[in-house]
Amino acid sequence: SQTIHQWPATLVQPVGSPLSLECTVEGTSNPNLYWYRQAAGRGLQLLFYSVGIGQISSEVPQNLSASRPQDRQFILSSKKLLLSDSGFYLCAWSVAKTQYFGPGTRLLVL
Amino acid sequence: ELKVEQNPLFLSMQEGKNYTIYCNYSTTSDRLYWYRQDPGKSLESLFVLLSNGAVKQEGRLMASLDTKARLSTLHITAAVHDLSATYFCAVDHRSGGGADGLTFGKGTHLIIQP
Repeated sequence: SQTIHQWPATLVQPVGSPLSLECTVEGTSNPNLYWYRQAAGRGLQLLFYSVGIGQISSEVPQNLSASRPQDRQFILSSKKLLLSDSGFYLCAWSVAKTQYFGPGTRLLVL
Repeated sequence: ELKVEQNPLFLSMQEGKNYTIYCNYSTTSDRLYWYRQDPGKSLESLFVLLSNGAVKQEGRLMASLDTKARLSTLHITAAVHDLSATYFCAVDHRSGGGADGLTFGKGTHLIIQP
């Protein structure tokens, strides 16, 4: 069966510090991968998606970037965090017609 | 731009009662999703509705899709406390001209009281 992992589970970072969140999927090949953010007052928002290694599409302009160095690995990064980057970051994968979500990373920027 | 609207956004109901959550979306789509989120947790997939007239049921929850009306409903029958959660509907992003991913409604925060 397929599983999706995210780490870290929680993170507290100062403004201006870098960020790296990792997502890995097991039990499937060539999945579509997604990063979403859930933030207070802004709901659930798609940030990035990827259909293959090295292929990244951004849905909204922002302070974040994503990379997919391996088929089942998706990384979310920032060079300098802003207060507004705080939120619950969810990685998701899809094969066929359903998206499944990882356990999430809760990020607090102070 | 694809918009997904849920109502109500907040619902407090008693155990044993029935209720319906509504999800309207702004552009044609034949793929609609319902998710459940417990406090502090990730999203759990409940239903995927893939065609007009689709109806799916799992326990006390039943979801339906009317693509002509651009409306999906999530019906709760004889509610129990364990169903307390936030429920999201989502529509395939490609319906709004985007390439991939989901556009979510704001969620319905459901509290079921004994």
